[in-house]
Amino acid sequence: AQSVAQPEDQVNVAEGNPLTVKCTYSVSGNPYLFWYVQYPNRGLQFLLKYITGDNLVKGSYGFEAEFNKSQTSFHLKKPSALVSDSALYFCAVRDSNQGGKLIFGQGTELSVKP
Amino acid sequence: EAGVTQFPSHSVIEKGQTVTLRCDPISGHDNLYWYRRVMGKEIKFLLHFVKESKQDESGMPNNRFLAERTGGTYSTLKVQPAELEDSGVYFCASSRKGQGGYEQYFGPGTRLTVT
Repeated sequence: AQSVAQPEDQVNVAEGNPLTVKCTYSVSGNPYLFWYVQYPNRGLQFLLKYITGDNLVKGSYGFEAEFNKSQTSFHLKKPSALVSDSALYFCAVRDSNQGGKLIFGQGTELSVKP
Repeated sequence: EAGVTQFPSHSVIEKGQTVTLRCDPISGHDNLYWYRRVMGKEIKFLLHFVKESKQDESGMPNNRFLAERTGGTYSTLKVQPAELEDSGVYFCASSRKGQGGYEQYFGPGTRLTVT
């Protein structure tokens, strides 16, 4: 079965420090991977995606993610965290069987403290 | 370009009542998806429309849920009768034609509370 795991319910970092939000996946075939962010009382916003090509993907708001096929991971990273990055982050993979539906991880709450 | 919109933003109903959620996708997006997040758990797929046709409704929990997409434009999701376990946030998303690597654009969600 295809799945996505975000092993950390919460990540705490100090402002200015680098951040990493972890994601691992299990799919058949080549994965299409996505990161979304949900700010309080808002919908999900697309951050970035990996389809093919360079393993390091750059996205919105200074975020990037590294695709690692051997470790089946797609960790989200940012070199210097901002307090405004505090939000709920979801990793997702496109279902390779049909339709393009997304399979989500359980979400990781990122808290950036001043 | 207007984003995906959903109405209402919040709905509180009693068990046994009926609620209808509406989603207006981004203009020109053929694909429309419904998802649900219950009790802080992962976001789960409900169903997928391509234009007005149901492509995949494997995630619909039971026959109390009915989704329609009129003329391939907006979509409605009706819950009748509502049960306590239906409480959660219902998200709608749309994407361009085709099923490749196009990202899905999400609406703000409808928070449904069944009491």
